[in-house]
Amino acid sequence: EVQLLESGGGLVQPGGSLRLSCVASGFTFSSHAMGWVRQAPGKGLEWVSSVSGSGGTIKYADSVKGRFTISRDNSKNTMYLQMNNLGAEDTAVYYCAKVNSLRVPSGWLYEYFQHWGQGTLVTVSS
Amino acid sequence: DIQMTQSPSSLSASVGDRVTITCQASQDITNYLNWFQQKPGKAPKVLIYDASNLETGVPSRFSGSGSGTDFTFTISSLQPEDFATYYCQQYDKLRATFGGGTKVEIK
Repeated sequence: EVQLLESGGGLVQPGGSLRLSCVASGFTFSSHAMGWVRQAPGKGLEWVSSVSGSGGTIKYADSVKGRFTISRDNSKNTMYLQMNNLGAEDTAVYYCAKVNSLRVPSGWLYEYFQHWGQGTLVTVSS
Repeated sequence: DIQMTQSPSSLSASVGDRVTITCQASQDITNYLNWFQQKPGKAPKVLIYDASNLETGVPSRFSGSGSGTDFTFTISSLQPEDFATYYCQQYDKLRATFGGGTKVEIK
């Protein structure tokens, strides 16, 4: 059974830093891309960042580029999100998600967020 | 960046009703479109991937269609457990964009 467990959330002051972790189990971690998605209180879902299975390819949303750093340690089955220079707009529940890859009838290799963690709350406030 | 416009933002419906939600991409995304359901306090759950493929274990009353820029999500007969918020999402080469969400409420 796939399990994703986020941790590291909490209360941080504006301008501060926080590192989130996502520990994975139940699948071959290094074979799957992973991502972070956040949800501000009462708002919709916002993709934050993704990393390939090897860690060699990384993408960020414009809203976090230059402030957040995604990484993974495949030996520990863990993905991280280092968040610096946090602002009130970063207050949200942060979810980690596992990407599933499969061959669809058209023949393409299709990828999508299949499994999600329960989320960890980050609150940026003085 | 690709923008996803989802409508309506909310709707009221009764058990047994047919519900339709639309999602429009700002550019051609072929079939790279997924639909998620989210209940309060819970993580999103994928229902449809590749625009029209039902995720394993998801009831057949859920369906999706479309390609290019225009997509539709349908619940053929709304059940009590279907009252939730639904999101479309495009995902390609590690980048993703979500629609604004549709909250399905009880009439």
